[in-house]
Amino acid sequence: GENVEQHPSTLSVQEGDSAVIKCTYSDSASNYFPWYKQELGKGPQLIIDIRSNVGEKKDQRIAVTLNKTAKHFSLHITETQPEDSAVYFCAASKTGFQKLVFGTGTRLLVSP
Amino acid sequence: NAGVTQTPKFRVLKTGQSMTLLCAQDMNHEYMYWYRQDPGMGLRLIHYSVGEGTTAKGEVPDGYNVSRLKKQNFLLGLESAAPSQTSVYFCASSYPSSHEQYFGPGTRLTVT
Repeated sequence: GENVEQHPSTLSVQEGDSAVIKCTYSDSASNYFPWYKQELGKGPQLIIDIRSNVGEKKDQRIAVTLNKTAKHFSLHITETQPEDSAVYFCAASKTGFQKLVFGTGTRLLVSP
Repeated sequence: NAGVTQTPKFRVLKTGQSMTLLCAQDMNHEYMYWYRQDPGMGLRLIHYSVGEGTTAKGEVPDGYNVSRLKKQNFLLGLESAAPSQTSVYFCASSYPSSHEQYFGPGTRLTVT
């Protein structure tokens, strides 16, 4: 089955810096890659996603890149703000039923 | 809309006791899921349902049972709780046509 690895497990940056979180997946048939943000005491919430027919997708300060050949994808956050502090999860799934396999999470801390 | 709600928010059980976690969604979603979240392990799928009256096993189903008698509700049961089931449990739901999963706020369960 699919296996998703996520690095780093923790990431500390200064406000205004960029942050990058990386994930690798094992199943070449996976073609949908979302990123979820989990704030303290809440459930995860989708922030951006990418499909295998696209190499990059941006939404304001957030971008995701996908390298299907290498089977890895990354989340990029620019101009980080304290409210970006949270745990971020990557995930992967195939078309059809949307059974997501999650990475182990990255705790991002943005210091003022 | 309340979105996805979970009951209870916290619970402490003794080994061998039973309990049921309730998930309710008011978005008319067909698909519903139960995950557990443990430190360093991300979110792992326990059971899921693709429609009223249907359930299926996920990645870690042992020790749990589920029922989907009504489209808006998805129940997770622990028949004989074990300390290894200490975790935070999240319910989620989604449309068949969309990969985005909407998560509830979670239930923190401790088994002593």
